[in-house]
Amino acid sequence: AQSVTQLGSHVSVSEGALVLLRCNYSSSVPPYLFWYVQYPNQGLQLLLKYTTGATLVKGINGFEAEFKKSETSFHLTKPSAHMSDAAEYFCAVSLNTGFQKLVFGTGTRLLVSP
Amino acid sequence: DAGVTQSPTHLIKTRGQHVTLRCSPISGHKSVSWYQQVLGQGPQFIFQYYEKEERGRGNFPDRFSARQFPNYSSELNVNALLLGDSALYLCASSDRDSDRFSYEQYFGPGTRLTVT
Repeated sequence: AQSVTQLGSHVSVSEGALVLLRCNYSSSVPPYLFWYVQYPNQGLQLLLKYTTGATLVKGINGFEAEFKKSETSFHLTKPSAHMSDAAEYFCAVSLNTGFQKLVFGTGTRLLVSP
Repeated sequence: DAGVTQSPTHLIKTRGQHVTLRCSPISGHKSVSWYQQVLGQGPQFIFQYYEKEERGRGNFPDRFSARQFPNYSSELNVNALLLGDSALYLCASSDRDSDRFSYEQYFGPGTRLTVT
């Protein structure tokens, strides 16, 4: 069965610093990969997704992620953190199971200090 | 356009009771999925419905059931509530066929269920 591992339940950065949130997946077939963000007391918002094609994916709010099949990774990065980036970030995988099912990681809380 | 809406926002129930949560998808979306998010964890898939038929079910007991109506809105029902059912219940809608697994799911704000 497919699964997602997010390394680090909490990541702290200073405003303006590089953001790196790690995600590794396990799958026997090529997966479809997603990053979602969740602000307090809100639902999930899609940041970006990888389906096929270019392995470097650009998303909203300056975030991007690179699909590395050899490393089974899909790490999320942003060159310069803003205070407004503080939130919970979830990596998710979806396979061709015949229906839409997202399998989420346990999440990484990003803390941004001034 | 309005996004995915869910009601109620918050709910407090007692063990053993029954609860019904409601979801209205984005206009034109025919697929609705339900997820349970326990505090500190990622969302867990419960059900997907498409065109009023169940297309997928996660690893949840039979106390959990759902249905989708002709207007594509959906209800999630949980019977015989347990303390462990306390969670944020998220609804997501999609505008693609149920087997198009790569398409984006749009999430609602969720219903916070507390079981005492």
